[in-house]
Amino acid sequence: AQKITQTQPGMFVQEKEAVTLDCTYDTSDPSYGLFWYKQPSSGEMIFLIYQGSYDQQNATEGRYSLNFQKARKSANLVISASQLGDSAMYFCAMRQEYGGATNKLIFGTGTLLAVQP
Amino acid sequence: GAVVSQHPSWVICKSGTSVKIECRSLDFQATTMFWYRQFPKQSLMLMATSNEGSKATYEQGVEKDKFLINHASLTLSTLTVTSAHPEDSSFYICSVSGGVGTGELFFGEGSRLTVL
Repeated sequence: AQKITQTQPGMFVQEKEAVTLDCTYDTSDPSYGLFWYKQPSSGEMIFLIYQGSYDQQNATEGRYSLNFQKARKSANLVISASQLGDSAMYFCAMRQEYGGATNKLIFGTGTLLAVQP
Repeated sequence: GAVVSQHPSWVICKSGTSVKIECRSLDFQATTMFWYRQFPKQSLMLMATSNEGSKATYEQGVEKDKFLINHASLTLSTLTVTSAHPEDSSFYICSVSGGVGTGELFFGEGSRLTVL
C-alpha cells in the first residue's frame, strides 16, 4: 500500500528566506510520481512541481525545487525567497506510474506554511 | 494545461435532500476523472474514480449508493450526494487525468457543500 507522510503540521518562515517542507513516502511500486500542490484559503489546488521516480535530476520550477532522495524515500519541497503569497497549505502526493495504474493521487496530511513579513 | 470547472462552487441544502455537483473538462477529453473529499483542516481523500461510459470505482468505505457518480461524456462527470446529512458537509474536488507520465493532474476549483 502507498503512504505519504508529512510530519510538519505547520511552519513559519521569514519573508525572503528559504523553507523546506518535508515529505516521506512508502511504496513497493516500481515506478511512481511525486507531486506538490499548494492550497490557499480559497481551496483551489495549485500544481507546483512533479518528480518521476526514474528522473535522474531533481525537479525545479522557478522558486520551487524538489529534493528527491530515492533511497531514503523522501521528496522534500524547497521554496526559495519566500513571499507573503506563499502562505498556504502544502500537500505532497504520490501516484503509481506503470502499465495498468489508475493514475489516482494519494495525499499527505499537509503542512500549513505562514510567511512572516 | 487542462481547464477543469466545477459547479456549483458552494451549495447549502437541507438534510435529506440530494445535491448534484458537476465537473467539466473544458478543453480536454477526460476518460478518467477523480472525486476527492476534504473535511476542514484535513487532507484530500479519494472517493472514487469516474470512468467515461462505465461504472465508477469507489474507494473502500465510500458508499456508492450515497455518492452517485455519472461520467456520461468525455467532458462531464457528476457527483450526486443523495439524502445528504450534516456529516456530508465537506469540500468536494474533482481532478482530470492527463495520462500517466504527463506530470500534472488538473483540479477543479472545488465545491463546498453545507448540509443543514
